[in-house]
Amino acid sequence: EVQLVQSGAEVKKPGESLKISCQGSGYSFTTNWIGWVRQMPGKGLEWMGIVYPDDSDIRYSPSFQGQVTISADKSIRIAYLQWTSLKASDTAMYYCARGRNLGSSWYYFDFWGQGTLVTVSS
Amino acid sequence: EIVLTQSPGTLSLSPGERATLSCRASQSVTSDYLAWYQQKPGQAPRLLIYAASNRATGIPDRFSGSGSETDFTLTISKLEPEDFAVYYCQQYTRSPLTFGGGTKVEIK
Repeated sequence: EVQLVQSGAEVKKPGESLKISCQGSGYSFTTNWIGWVRQMPGKGLEWMGIVYPDDSDIRYSPSFQGQVTISADKSIRIAYLQWTSLKASDTAMYYCARGRNLGSSWYYFDFWGQGTLVTVSS
Repeated sequence: EIVLTQSPGTLSLSPGERATLSCRASQSVTSDYLAWYQQKPGQAPRLLIYAASNRATGIPDRFSGSGSETDFTLTISKLEPEDFAVYYCQQYTRSPLTFGGGTKVEIK
């Protein structure tokens, strides 16, 4: 069974750093892309970026390039999303999801993590 | 960037009725690289349809997708109580990947 299990909810202050995680199991973690999607409170879905764990190839959405860092450690089957200096506007639910690309150059997402709620407040 | 516009914003229907959701793209979505997701309150999105018309594993056949280029439709043939949720479309023909703003299907 494919599973993506994300780290727990976080409450942080503006300016603090944060790294959240997503552990995959039940499939070949190394050779499947993992994407990150933001959902701000009461809003829709926004793609942030995607990583290929085997070689750490990373593609960012222009909206998030430079704002976050995506990475993966294939030895422990975990993908990460991190911030160096959080802002209140980073308050959101963050989802990881497995990317699929049957024939396409880009990806849809067939399995999703349960989400990590990040709250940034002074 | 391909902008996806979903309509209507909210659809008020009764169980057993047919739901028709629209997703319109600002540019052609080549090769029909469009997916649909369902999201219920407090849950992660769930993949329903990929490549415009292919049902994901385990998705009931009352869900169907159609369309091409710039106009796509998700149809739920007969609404079940568990189908009341928010639905998103997503294009994966080019970067950045984009989602529509969502259509909420609510109980009338």
